[in-house]
Order: sequence, then structure tokens, then C-alpha cells
Amino acid sequence: AQSVSQHNHHVILSEAASLELGCNYSYGGTVNLFWYVQYPGQHLQLLLKYFSGDPLVKGIKGFEAEFIKSKFSFNLRKPSVQWSDTAEYFCAVIVGAGSYQLTFGKGTKLSVIP
Amino acid sequence: NAGVMQNPRHLVRRRGQEARLRCSPMKGHSHVYWYRQLPEEGLKFMVYLQKENIIDESGMPKERFSAEFPKEGPSILRIQQVVRGDSAAYFCASSPRGQLNSYNEQFFGPGTRLTVL
Repeated sequence: AQSVSQHNHHVILSEAASLELGCNYSYGGTVNLFWYVQYPGQHLQLLLKYFSGDPLVKGIKGFEAEFIKSKFSFNLRKPSVQWSDTAEYFCAVIVGAGSYQLTFGKGTKLSVIP
Repeated sequence: NAGVMQNPRHLVRRRGQEARLRCSPMKGHSHVYWYRQLPEEGLKFMVYLQKENIIDESGMPKERFSAEFPKEGPSILRIQQVVRGDSAAYFCASSPRGQLNSYNEQFFGPGTRLTVL
């Protein structure tokens, strides 16, 4: 079965620092990749997704992610974080075309210090 | 346009009781998915339903768990005779179509946190 690994459980950054959250998946076939964010007390929201085309995907709120097939990775980046980015971030994958079962990583908590 | 609604947000049950979790999908969405997040784990798929039909329940425990999505009203996830190991966050998502692609996504509710004493 496929799995998703998020390397960091908790990341603490100061405002304006750059962010990179790691995500690796364990499936060699066609995958589609997602990053979701959950702000405190709120529901999961989609930040960005990759299905095909340019492996550098731009999402909402200044986030981007790069799909590197050879490394089975889909790392999330933001050049300059803000206090409002404090949240939990989840990487997820679906395998194959026509699928609907999202497989999530364990999540990374990001705390941004003003 | 209201998002996916789940209630209750928090539910406390004693061992052996029943838990009923409700999910109202976004307007116009006829596809509903339930996921469970155990402590320190990622969300795991449980079941996929369309109106009045269970499409895929491969992630659902074989005993004590059931789900429905009636023609009228919310989707219900029912857990009978709860045990401590059922303590988790249960998330519902909905989508206008079943397959995830560039034009379709699952919209998540805020989750129900079930605590079994």
C-alpha cells in the first residue's frame, strides 16, 4: 500500500523566514499530489495540487510545491512566512487515474513566531 | 455557500455506547467521503458514498461501523459499542464528482472529535 512521509513533526520559524516542508511518497506509478492546511479550529483547506504538467505548482497564499519524480518528493515551500501561516500542513496522494482515496501524511505543525 | 458541516464538533461517549456523527455536504455535492485521524496519524480513508449508495467501504472496520447517505438529510457515520481505540477525529469531505482531477476536489468539514471514556 502507498504511504506518505512528512519528515518534520513540528517546525518553528520566525516571521519572514523561508519555509520548506518535506513530503515523500512510496509508490512508483502515476500519482497525484496535494497539500492541505488546517488553521487552528478550522477545516482542512486545499493549498495546491499536482496532476500533470509543470512540476512546480503554485497555490494559494504564496505557497508552492515542486514534484520531483526521481526523488518521490513533493516539498512545500514559501519564501517568507507570516504569523498567520501558523497551522498544520498535510501532504496527500492519490494513486492512479480516476481515484478518490486520499492517503495523508501525519502532518507537520508550523508555528510562526512574530 | 456554506461549506461542509459536521456535528457535533466534539462527542464524548462511554465504552459500549453508540456514536452518531453527521455530515452535511456542500450544496450540489452528491459524493461524500469519511476519513479517520487517529492520534499522531494522518487521515485514513474509511468510506465513499453517493446518495443512497455505498460505493467503497474498503477502509471501514468490518464490525461496529456503518455509514449511510440517505436521499434526504445528512450522511451518518455510526459506531456501535464504542471502545477506547475509536477515539479519533472523524472528517467528512464532499465533492461534486467522484474522481479527483484538475477540476474536482474534496472539500473537508471541520471534523468531529470523538472521545471514548
